[in-house]
Amino acid sequence: ETGVTQTPRHLVMGMTNKKSLKCEQHLGHNAMYWYKQSAKKPLELMFVYNFKEQTENNSVPSRFSPECPNSSHLFLHLHTLQPEDSALYLCASSNIIGISGERQYFGPGTRLTVT
Amino acid sequence: TQLLEQSPQFLSIQEGENLTVYCNSSSVFSSLQWYRQEPGEGPVLLVTVVTGGEVKKLKRLTFQFGDARKDSSLHITAAQTGDTGLYLCAGAFAGNEKLTFGTGTRLTIIP
Repeated sequence: ETGVTQTPRHLVMGMTNKKSLKCEQHLGHNAMYWYKQSAKKPLELMFVYNFKEQTENNSVPSRFSPECPNSSHLFLHLHTLQPEDSALYLCASSNIIGISGERQYFGPGTRLTVT
Repeated sequence: TQLLEQSPQFLSIQEGENLTVYCNSSSVFSSLQWYRQEPGEGPVLLVTVVTGGEVKKLKRLTFQFGDARKDSSLHITAAQTGDTGLYLCAGAFAGNEKLTFGTGTRLTIIP
């Protein structure tokens, strides 16, 4: 148990569906992250939020829409996804950003399959 | 774009054997982290190294940071089945403190 929870753990959706992934951290951290983990590729940073403000959008397609209502919660809204978007989506949090070596705490991920 | 290369990609060895996995970059790290990810879970931090030449030990795991801070190794002594998992290195580079992850080494320890 890392203190970061993600729901759902598994999600199958069609290309025309709209769904949302949820992440919650119980660590009192100020920074939250979304990563995409695909087979045979490194973890790809998607979005970074610091004190609820988005500080990084790593050229992510607009069919992925993040939302951070407060420092403890992070959502990833999904719509009109493509099969190549199937992956493990990981949420992480850290106390602060911009400090080298700052530890990130990861949730267990949501395994997304787009059909 | 800084790239981290990890080798080998896959490693399968018998329980009790020793092994070393590597993480390399053409750029200098300001810090480097090693994570282990087990099936169905997110990565969990094992260690952070910051100083060139630094060696850290975590029970049977020994982490070494290269003198030039461009490479790192993870050595496991007397591997156990519980060591099975995906080992990821992640580096931060001067002027860009976001973590960049390697593709990982998938380690399987055979009983």
